[in-house]
Amino acid sequence: KAGVTQTPRYLIKTRGQQVTLSCSPISGHRSVSWYQQTPGQGLQFLFEYFSETQRNKGNFPGRFSGRQFSNSRSEMNVSTLELGDSALYLCASSLTTTRREQYFGPGTRLTVT
Amino acid sequence: GESVGLHLPTLSVQEGDNSIINCAYSNSASDYFIWYKQESGKGPQFIIDIRSNMDKRQGQRVTVLLNKTVKHLSLQIAATQPGDSAVYFCAENHRNNNDMRFGAGTRLTVKP
Repeated sequence: KAGVTQTPRYLIKTRGQQVTLSCSPISGHRSVSWYQQTPGQGLQFLFEYFSETQRNKGNFPGRFSGRQFSNSRSEMNVSTLELGDSALYLCASSLTTTRREQYFGPGTRLTVT
Repeated sequence: GESVGLHLPTLSVQEGDNSIINCAYSNSASDYFIWYKQESGKGPQFIIDIRSNMDKRQGQRVTVLLNKTVKHLSLQIAATQPGDSAVYFCAENHRNNNDMRFGAGTRLTVKP
């Protein structure tokens, strides 16, 4: 069974631009969670989607948004990029909304210049 | 152990030695704990978990110890190998709100 895939793996953007990241969960998994990982703050929860509905949201500004499609694939969008948004963005999928049994993708490394 | 800021705690061990990585968690109501391993360029990978009604759990070459009195978690890796070199971090979960919080991590380096 294929693992969680994320595209693109690397991305360079400039301040003020917007970016869309994509995540394909493990086949059969209906829950997708997004995390931001930085050296300073570690791994922080962004939001979780289950059956196309946002179920939980972390403490991030409204510039960070996401959505989930009927095939469980998910995208996250960051508008008006800031330098501090440079991070590794990780997606994790699970069968249900129990994040205890989640599997992580390799991440998308976003650099904002 | 835990850290804030830019610098991860580091642990350097000789190949074949045992490693002990520590983690302090924050919520006394957390009832489930996970250790993850993250290699360079990869996402976190599940290693072992433990529920709060246990104080020890063993896997293949790994053991997790839980001390709820002092809110402390440790991961022991037996006969550490070069492939064990990675960042290890703990996560705590509270069933009622499904909140998952991650520690900052410890960088383990195994010297041949």
